[in-house]
Amino acid sequence: AQKITQTQPGMFVQEKEAVTLDCTYDTSDQSYGLFWYKQPSSGEMIFLIYQGSYDEQNATEGRYSLNFQKARKSANLVISASQLGDSAMYFCAMREGRTGANNLFFGTGTRLTVIP
Amino acid sequence: NAGVTQTPKFQVLKTGQSMTLQCAQDMNHNSMYWYRQDPGMGLRLIYYSASEGTTDKGEVPNGYNVSRLNKREFSLRLESAAPSQTSVYFCASSLRALANTGELFFGEGSRLTVL
Repeated sequence: AQKITQTQPGMFVQEKEAVTLDCTYDTSDQSYGLFWYKQPSSGEMIFLIYQGSYDEQNATEGRYSLNFQKARKSANLVISASQLGDSAMYFCAMREGRTGANNLFFGTGTRLTVIP
Repeated sequence: NAGVTQTPKFQVLKTGQSMTLQCAQDMNHNSMYWYRQDPGMGLRLIYYSASEGTTDKGEVPNGYNVSRLNKREFSLRLESAAPSQTSVYFCASSLRALANTGELFFGEGSRLTVL
């Protein structure tokens, strides 16, 4: 089974509007971490936001927020007030909490296009 | 602000040739990683080094070897390249092992084509 599922291959959003990118995860661990990364067309991977499984409040970083619904095993990324520079691939990833776990499992990504 | 530097950025190999991808970080991070990115599959971990002197296999280690030369450098070697190893390779580092909350810092990627 896929550990991270991103069901939206592509999304479009009007500039200045908000957009939600979906991510569901699968783990039996109680302790885990969820990450979102951005990959612009230049290719580098840029860390956006992190949510720990025990964090009671949703993580926020500027215009990015993570809508964490533990019971549904979802960790959706919300980008508010979209900008043209937000056009990129977005990857959801999970770190499981087992001892020595040093792997981030990545989803297949969502390509976001911001329309002027 | 070099961060994580990978070389080369592009490489074309023939089947059976060998090559080494070099990676260096200047952030004094303890942990380093090699990922590959294939279309429609996201990133998958090849090998990682939780700290200087240690290396461990990730999800897809077959056909690769690594060396953690020192705290700064972590190289990935393909001994006998195969077309299935055509991919974009990313080196990454983190301050601590991912068992904590540390984010990964990525290099710009190396695009490898095996003919």
